[in-house]
Amino acid sequence: EDKVVQSPLSLVVHEGDTVTLNCSYEVTNFRSLLWYKQEKKAPTFLFMLTSSGIEKKSGRLSSILDKKELFSILNITATQTGDSAVYLCAVLYGNNRLAFGKGNQVVVIP
Amino acid sequence: NAGVTQTPKFQVLKTGQSMTLQCAQDMNHEYMSWYRQDPGMGLRLIHYSVGAGITDQGEVPNGYNVSRSTTEDFPLRLLSAAPSQTSVYFCASKGHPIGELFFGEGSRLTVL
Repeated sequence: EDKVVQSPLSLVVHEGDTVTLNCSYEVTNFRSLLWYKQEKKAPTFLFMLTSSGIEKKSGRLSSILDKKELFSILNITATQTGDSAVYLCAVLYGNNRLAFGKGNQVVVIP
Repeated sequence: NAGVTQTPKFQVLKTGQSMTLQCAQDMNHEYMSWYRQDPGMGLRLIHYSVGAGITDQGEVPNGYNVSRSTTEDFPLRLLSAAPSQTSVYFCASKGHPIGELFFGEGSRLTVL
């Protein structure tokens, strides 16, 4: 069974829209949750979250973790075509095990 | 900084052939790992290592071998390639136990 579930798997938005991506998880001995952006090649790091309720922010991107309800959201405001990518959520748990979700594919059209 | 370096970037094999994907990092990271990425499947962990001489299986280890003789290198071996191993492979490392994972550029493998 999947330990990390992302939704929606795919979405298309117009430039300027706001996007909310969801990542839910079910693991034992949670340690951290990470968000990555993947365009053509290797994933690039966005955020790492370890504590509930503390928003991480970088420009138009922000993310928050809820360890009670076991989910995280990634928000992108005022989207641009350069935000088109697959956004990957990963959860570090147990003895250094890292599980990825299937990703949220975001397409931003002008 | 080179970071995580993978070679080769592209490889075509015939069924039954063997090969090794190389991974090297120059950040003195203890943790290194191999993932495969297939369409619609996300990134799946093949093997990982928490230090020289220590390796462990991930969620899809069958058909792959690894070893970790030095901190810098973590090669992935396919002993008898199968078409099901056609995929993009990523090597990744991290220095802090709960820290960011640094990825190599990926290796695209096709098995005919």
